[in-house]
Amino acid sequence: DTGVSQNPRHKITKRGQNVTFRCDPISEHNRLYWYRQTLGQGPEFLTYFQNEAQLEKSRLLSDRFSAERPKGSFSTLEIQRTEQGDSAMYLCASSLMTTNEQFFGPGTRLTVL
Amino acid sequence: DQQVKQNSPSLSVQEGRISILNCDYTNSMFDYFLWYKKYPAEGPTFLISISSIKDKNEDGRFTVFLNKSAKHLSLHIVPSQPGDSAVYFCAARTQGGSEKLVFGKGTKLTVNP
Repeated sequence: DTGVSQNPRHKITKRGQNVTFRCDPISEHNRLYWYRQTLGQGPEFLTYFQNEAQLEKSRLLSDRFSAERPKGSFSTLEIQRTEQGDSAMYLCASSLMTTNEQFFGPGTRLTVL
Repeated sequence: DQQVKQNSPSLSVQEGRISILNCDYTNSMFDYFLWYKKYPAEGPTFLISISSIKDKNEDGRFTVFLNKSAKHLSLHIVPSQPGDSAVYFCAARTQGGSEKLVFGKGTKLTVNP
């Protein structure tokens, strides 16, 4: 399967714990995006990378959130000191620089108890 | 401020009939529009897109129409099939800068056999 993959698919954690999610984009895609989706809403943009450079961050990305893409391939999204409001589906997408279409992975469902 | 609006939370149609999903936007700087389909527990799947320089784009059973003066686009599915039952998201990208997609809240389409 050559699509976008995300791990883990589900994560349950207690409030105050740190969590880290991984995204592996489609292999030739140099752009990688993170979105968050809550119930009844569309995906909301968090941040995006072009190769290893983080080029844009949403104001939704508080200082408890950090994303990296160290070698321009896979990316990680870390949430520190999780809060119940962080419970959501975290989606990763990737694209080529030359196209507008973003291709999404299956998402990581985070539940903060 | 919801820049992309899908005012119908749900739509029900009979198999074989046309499904029309609507989307309105407020930001005149949007230059590219996309439709995604989402099944439960999966990430959004890219369906079809249209540039702001066009007013129609067709791909098999799916056609997207863009009315720039009205800031309105629609997705037509004909004939509708039960497998089309999913949540459909309209998304838009801003001209000249941000690569983020701005999504509507989605419309749940149910195609009845």
